[in-house]
This record gives sequence, C-alpha cells and structure tokens, in this order.
Amino acid sequence: LAKTTQPISMDSYEGQEVNITCSHNNIATNDYITWYQQFPSQGPRFIIQGYKTKVTNEVASLFIPADRKSSTLSLPRVSLSDTAVYYCLVGGSYNTDKLIFGTGTRLQVFP
Amino acid sequence: DTGVSQNPRHKITKRGQNVTFRCDPISEHNRLYWYRQTLGQGPEFLTYFQNEAQLEKSRLLSDRFSAERPKGSFSTLEIQRTEQGDSAMYLCASSFGTGTYEQYFGPGTRLTVT
Repeated sequence: LAKTTQPISMDSYEGQEVNITCSHNNIATNDYITWYQQFPSQGPRFIIQGYKTKVTNEVASLFIPADRKSSTLSLPRVSLSDTAVYYCLVGGSYNTDKLIFGTGTRLQVFP
Repeated sequence: DTGVSQNPRHKITKRGQNVTFRCDPISEHNRLYWYRQTLGQGPEFLTYFQNEAQLEKSRLLSDRFSAERPKGSFSTLEIQRTEQGDSAMYLCASSFGTGTYEQYFGPGTRLTVT
C-alpha cells in the first residue's frame, strides 16, 4: 500500500478552518484516499473518502489534485471537540480491506 | 446502541498468563478486523474475517495469538503466555461488503501486562 506522509502535529483556534495535507507520491491507479479521526481512548472514526477532485460531507471536505500525489483534509470552523489525531490512508485492494495507518496528525484546538 | 462493542475494556494480567478478548460487530457486517495500537502510533492490522473465515493474518500475529469468529458473529482474540510487549490497545472493527475502507471501530480493550 502507498506510504503516506503528514505533519506530526498542528495547532489551531476555535472557529478557524484547518487544512491537513497528506503526501502519497506512489499512489496507485485504483487507490482511494481515506481519512480517519481518533479521540483518546477511542477507536478511529471514518471521516471521508475520495478518489479525485473534491468530496464534501457534513463533517469535512477532501481536496485531491489531478496528479493525486497529495490530498488535503479541510475542517471548517473547528471547535475544541475537533482536537484529535487525524490519519490519512491510501489503498484500494478489493481482496483485503485492511487499513494501514501511519502516525497521523495530532490536531490541538485552543479556545 | 448498535455499534461495535468490545469486552473487557481494560485487562491487567501478569506475564505468562493467557487472556481472551471479545468483539461484537455491527450485526449485518460480514467483515471483522483486529488491530493493535501502542502509545503514539497508529493502529496496526492483525487479522480479519469474512463471515467465519479468517482470510489474512499479519506477521505481527505470532503463534501465541489466535483469533476465531464462530458462526460469523462475534469474534475472540486470545493471547497465550502474555509478554510485556503485548501491552497495547486491541481494537476491533467491522464493515459490510468488500472494497470499502469505511470500517466501524469499537472502543478497544486496553491490555497491560505486568
């Protein structure tokens, strides 16, 4: 599975937009890009998934440029409750759906 | 609540003892996964089931580890002769169908081996 690189940590203030970028230079043609969120002492939670261009749901937006070598998770108007670790994953095997997590980005939101 | 449940939530055991964890997936989900997470790291894949069949095991899953999913419902993960290095959070996840990366995780079982 393609390796991903994302910042170790980010800080923000309540009400700001947060953009977390993930690099995946060797993404394969059939790979999707998926983001998970994890709070302390909880299991990860699916946020959003995309293949190309832009995907938006009630929680976040995912921007994927044409070359798909990177992606950006955008969280609009963050609140204190968005403080968590965010993981970027790429993959698309239909034989196995095992998730390969990196170390993630630790987002700290301040009041 | 119809989410993924795991029991126990916490387990403290002495080195050399055997432990067993249970995972109850979302009822209509046919795929069930086990992951292990240590402090500061992302979860690591251990094994997964489609219905009752165990389809893949990670090299992380040594001979001391065994997982079952009888009748394709709940699953158990057993660790024999525990070692201090087994201390971690053990996460279970489930999903429906194939070709999806949308998995639903349980709260995990935190194992401490003393």
